[in-house]
Amino acid sequence: SAVISQKPSRDICQRGTSLTIQCQVDSQVTMMFWYRQQPGQSLTLIATANQGSEATYESGFVIDKFPISRPNLTFSTLTVSNMSPEDSSIYLCSVEDSARPNTEAFFGQGTRLTVV
Amino acid sequence: AQSVAQPEDQVNVAEGNPLTVKCTYSVSGNPYLFWYVQYPNRGLQFLLKYITGDNLVKGSYGFEAEFNKSQTSFHLKKPSALVSDSALYFCAVRDNAGNMLTFGGGTRLMVKP
Repeated sequence: SAVISQKPSRDICQRGTSLTIQCQVDSQVTMMFWYRQQPGQSLTLIATANQGSEATYESGFVIDKFPISRPNLTFSTLTVSNMSPEDSSIYLCSVEDSARPNTEAFFGQGTRLTVV
Repeated sequence: AQSVAQPEDQVNVAEGNPLTVKCTYSVSGNPYLFWYVQYPNRGLQFLLKYITGDNLVKGSYGFEAEFNKSQTSFHLKKPSALVSDSALYFCAVRDNAGNMLTFGGGTRLMVKP
């Protein structure tokens, strides 16, 4: 299993500002993902964080709004840029082993973002 | 495209009674199926998975799930619910080609004393 440290756990931010969320894994992992979750709702995949190259974004998400870095196999950041109240949500990082699709994904504890 | 349906937004159960949280899926080929639980202000925790073999899978905290290929279902069950089981539960599926996990909409389980 993988242990994931995600921070901050929560934040309250002013509209128009940016927040960077960090995700640190205790072992090297092939796949890292960023999800958004409205409270009490399901998960929506934002992007796949690719080590050493640009992230792969899902429909409806763009790099300018959600820039992602992944400098190595254990660390990634997600930035929520130029925030508006609509960005208030829970953001989760997740890791998987692409070589073993029958294994489970592991999640960070999430970052609860409130934009005022 | 693969998909997961959790038909119940909320399930209410009295403590000590059996519980079932429903999940149906659609995927090409053989599925890998997962259940996760999310407690308030926490990330998702893995409960159990079905890969192959015995259709009844046992997992953490006394939960189990039954894979039914003909009904394309993977319902989560527990013989005796606890108040502490109250949480949000997610079913997820991945095909055996290693595509992305697809999550259901989630079911809130409320266990009342």
